Amino acid sequence: IVLTQSPATLSLSPGERATLSCRASHSVSIYLAWYQQRPGQAPRLLIYDASNRATGIPARFSGSGSGTDFILTISSLEPEDFAVYYCQQRSNWPLTFGGGTKVEIK
Amino acid sequence: QVQLVESGGGVVQPGRSLRLSCAASGFTFSAYGMHWVRQAPGKGLEWVAIIWYDGSKTFYGDSVEGRFTISRDNSKNTLSLQMNSLRAEDTALYYCAREGSDPIKYSDYWGQGTLVTVSS
Repeated sequence: IVLTQSPATLSLSPGERATLSCRASHSVSIYLAWYQQRPGQAPRLLIYDASNRATGIPARFSGSGSGTDFILTISSLEPEDFAVYYCQQRSNWPLTFGGGTKVEIK
Repeated sequence: QVQLVESGGGVVQPGRSLRLSCAASGFTFSAYGMHWVRQAPGKGLEWVAIIWYDGSKTFYGDSVEGRFTISRDNSKNTLSLQMNSLRAEDTALYYCAREGSDPIKYSDYWGQGTLVTVSS
């Protein structure tokens, strides 16, 4: 299953709302996660099964969608949120990641 | 606290082999599935392999199937990745990651990675 993320880069200012998209080539039901990766760090799980926040993740992060279309929303960007975000599906083997969306400071 | 520490990376010639290890601590290793995920320099994440908590099942990414073997030693809290017939495109930072318990069947903890460079 191919996951296509858009846009590749999102240029926003702190306090703005970020909307990231992940589209699957076939339905993955709700079996999709979102990860955040800051420069020089390992990825961190943000959202699992499309809409559930992982432990310790702030409420400004939310996920939605099912089937083939998914959205990660960051309601108000904090300085530490500028990073790369990846989606990943676990509906079918092999597991796959999207190509990533970089959220950069405008 | 959960800790995953990868080791074994380095520079290796194309066609040669390398074995990576991941030392786990801070949780009951034998109760969790484990993944390897890699990231080529400046690129995105690529899932490599998974092994079931008891070693009974394994799955691989298409690009490594038949060349890489994931294994574990629950008595030593260690995950391994045997990489054979290495290619330039296998150059990457290799992360080990724990698969969470239900319902969080995703990689909830990650190591810091070990770098593999395949070059003549």
